[in-house]
Amino acid sequence: SQKIEQNSEALNIQEGKTATLTCNYTNYSPAYLQWYRQDPGRGPVFLLLIRENEKEKRKERLKVTFDTTLKQSLFHITASQPADSATYLCALDVKDSNYQLIWGAGTKLIIKP
Amino acid sequence: DAEITQSPRHKITETGRQVTLACHQTWNHNNMFWYRQDLGHGLRLIHYSYGVQDTNKGEVSDGYSVSRSNTEDLPLTLESAASSQTSVYFCASSDLYEQYFGPGTRLTVT
Repeated sequence: SQKIEQNSEALNIQEGKTATLTCNYTNYSPAYLQWYRQDPGRGPVFLLLIRENEKEKRKERLKVTFDTTLKQSLFHITASQPADSATYLCALDVKDSNYQLIWGAGTKLIIKP
Repeated sequence: DAEITQSPRHKITETGRQVTLACHQTWNHNNMFWYRQDLGHGLRLIHYSYGVQDTNKGEVSDGYSVSRSNTEDLPLTLESAASSQTSVYFCASSDLYEQYFGPGTRLTVT
């Protein structure tokens, strides 16, 4: 079956370290992949988009990689801060899907001071 | 500033009642989406629209309907609420790829 997997267990990281979150998918032909942040009681907020032909994308302290051979995206937050604590969702756009996204369940990230 | 709003933010209703959740965006986006979010699941697409008078069924559309009479609004109607429809509902809009989300509506069906 087609699915997107993110670590269901919370990820605990010490402040100042790099947090790395994983998004794996099966049986899709992606056009691009997106990462969103979701805080409790709020809707997801867009962070980064990476296309199938891009290996890496950066935005300030954020970095996303996309390996279509491994069917995996990694999301990195460098110099992590307690304010980075949130749930992070990955979403895959499948080719010819007309902007419809397939979503992972999210990974909760906790940055400890 | 452009925004997307949802109302009500919280709703408790009884099984069998018809419920309508409102979604209003001022981004002037053509694409609008309704999702539900349940613990342990990713966001699941209920219905979506690419423009006025256009509506399409998503992955979990049974028991739900939408209508698009203008660019700004995409109301979601639960025809006869069931306990399985207890969830958090999110509306989103997009121009191209990036989706902008509303704050969500927490619906409880008793």
